[in-house]
Amino acid sequence: DIQMTQSPSSLSASVGDRVTITCRASQSISSYLNWYQQKPGKAPKLLIYAASSLQSGVPSRFSGSGSGTDFTLTISSLQPEDFATYYCQQSYSTPPTFGPGTKVDIK
Amino acid sequence: QVQLVQSGAEVKKPGSSVKVSCKASGGTFSSYAISWVRQAPGQGLEWMGRIIPILGIANYAQKFQGRVTITADKSTSTAYMELSSLRSEDTAVYYCAKEYSSSLYNWFDPWGQGTLVTVSS
Repeated sequence: DIQMTQSPSSLSASVGDRVTITCRASQSISSYLNWYQQKPGKAPKLLIYAASSLQSGVPSRFSGSGSGTDFTLTISSLQPEDFATYYCQQSYSTPPTFGPGTKVDIK
Repeated sequence: QVQLVQSGAEVKKPGSSVKVSCKASGGTFSSYAISWVRQAPGQGLEWMGRIIPILGIANYAQKFQGRVTITADKSTSTAYMELSSLRSEDTAVYYCAKEYSSSLYNWFDPWGQGTLVTVSS
């Protein structure tokens, strides 16, 4: 199975901050990388697919980049509704695997 | 636009089984895969398996092989996940999710609302 890691595991930030979350795969996965946002008590929500494609309806302050083994999710200007946990997920091979998550909370 | 609605919370005894349903509305149910993902309390996301209703074929994560059965009823647009030989470590929220596939890539969207399964004596 492909192992996914994320850093940091948590971060504190203020409204308006630029936030960057990193995801790393244990082997090359090309651009087969998705990002999800999860708020407490809710199901995950797709933000980015295929490493850099913004899901319809997701604000443009979210962006994704990377290929191979290293990927980044960036929130250009953090908004109050963005405080949540973010997960990356590889779809290169079965089983699909998720990173451990990055919790973004209020500074 | 596909929506997935899951069955309600369950409390089960160790050693028993649980069956969770996931009803789809909108879209063509048979033509896409439905995956099941679980999340233990305070933990991350773990893929359990998937089914493609039009083919009736399911595949499972090795960790759950022999304990999980995923089925689909095309007539009611409902997918099911049954987990047997339950133990306390199976206490989790279980999600179904549509596995959307483009020509090259695939991703999970949308997700059901989740079903809490509590295993306790």
